[in-house]
Amino acid sequence: NAGVTQTPKFQVLKTGQSMTLQCAQDMNHNSMYWYRQDPGMGLRLIYYSASEGTTDKGEVPNGYNVSRLNKREFSLRLESAAPSQTSVYFCASTPQEGNQPQHFGDGTRLSIL
Amino acid sequence: AQKITQTQPGMFVQEKEAVTLDCTYDTSDPSYGLFWYKQPSSGEMIFLIYQGSYDQQNATEGRYSLNFQKARKSANLVISASQLGDSAMYFCAMREFNTGNQFYFGTGTSLTVIP
Repeated sequence: NAGVTQTPKFQVLKTGQSMTLQCAQDMNHNSMYWYRQDPGMGLRLIYYSASEGTTDKGEVPNGYNVSRLNKREFSLRLESAAPSQTSVYFCASTPQEGNQPQHFGDGTRLSIL
Repeated sequence: AQKITQTQPGMFVQEKEAVTLDCTYDTSDPSYGLFWYKQPSSGEMIFLIYQGSYDQQNATEGRYSLNFQKARKSANLVISASQLGDSAMYFCAMREFNTGNQFYFGTGTSLTVIP
């Protein structure tokens, strides 16, 4: 029972480099999310996908792009990394039913030098 | 305006005592759900308890209970008989059922259990 799997777990980038964070879930959930977590600021939503084929901006989308490749996979791309994007990134998924909690991946610690 | 407000950045509790972590929320949607998550120092997010806006009774899950006061828009988490393993960050979150699929999180409360 893998749940939500994020790769990589750790990454160090130089300013201006690009990379894609991968997320996959095996629970047949419709909705998937990307958050960033910074000290003292809780979880802030970057993008989410209510269902396969749809994506929507969250609170802090600037500097990021997403792809809902299929029902299982939702990737987050940084096209030109900036030090302000140093953070811990979480992917989460949830069924369509509103009373169900989100299931989270273990997070990706990303440092931009 | 903040959808979820957690006003206690840090809390301390003696082992075996009860502690209440505060959460207030703001919504005009009559149908919503409130969630509490625990994040230990290892970093994973662990779901603790859920309360629906139409639930008549306060939710309970083992040592966790939710003090839900709908008119005051508060959903405080009560942890009874605190254990050292309860030391962690705690996040309150809300989902509005009629206005989309977003979850809104508070900034969290850091709980330290003192032996």
